[in-house]
Amino acid sequence: DTAVSQTPKYLVTQMGNDKSIKCEQNLGHDTMYWYKQDSKKFLKIMFSYNNKELIINETVPNRFSPKSPDKAHLNLHINSLELGDSAVYFCASSQDEAWGDIQYFGAGTRLSVL
Amino acid sequence: GQSLEQPSEVTAVEGAIVQINCTYQTSGFYGLSWYQQHDGGAPTFLSYNALDGLEETGRFSSFLSRSDSYGYLLLQELQMKDSASYFCAVRGYQKVTFGTGTKLQVIP
Repeated sequence: DTAVSQTPKYLVTQMGNDKSIKCEQNLGHDTMYWYKQDSKKFLKIMFSYNNKELIINETVPNRFSPKSPDKAHLNLHINSLELGDSAVYFCASSQDEAWGDIQYFGAGTRLSVL
Repeated sequence: GQSLEQPSEVTAVEGAIVQINCTYQTSGFYGLSWYQQHDGGAPTFLSYNALDGLEETGRFSSFLSRSDSYGYLLLQELQMKDSASYFCAVRGYQKVTFGTGTKLQVIP
């Protein structure tokens, strides 16, 4: 069983479209994260949720909206996609905030905006 | 804010030892972690230090000096499969911040 799973693995879409990425973890963790990794491999945190509550919201355009229906799921919806949104998006989880040093990552979603 | 510095690239010979350094500036400090990422793969947790000193996990060791805001990852008996990017990450008051990564190339 995959600990942190993301779908889809690849996403190719046109500018202006709306898309969602789903993430689920079966580790029983309380805290989940979304990261964006650009072409230079810089891994930047976007959002963090602890037990369904938003705890970190970095300076991310409001076209990006996370949703956590329960603590095992953290989805990312992106409106009006732009070329600059092309990147790899990683979901991750940790036992809780205090254990944020040890995160488990999903395989990533490779988003290409044309 | 938080910032981390690590070398962008390192090349080492198979069987040798390599050290990847990380210096950081942070608002509050709770721990320094290291992650490995192969091309096309996901970051994988390697090691974590909250206190000064050396932590050893098999061929990998990680060191922390909080007074110097410095740490390093030591990889021994290098294998070709160790070719990957290595990220240090600092947990400050509010979040974990990742460094820009060090691309390690192991050559025969």
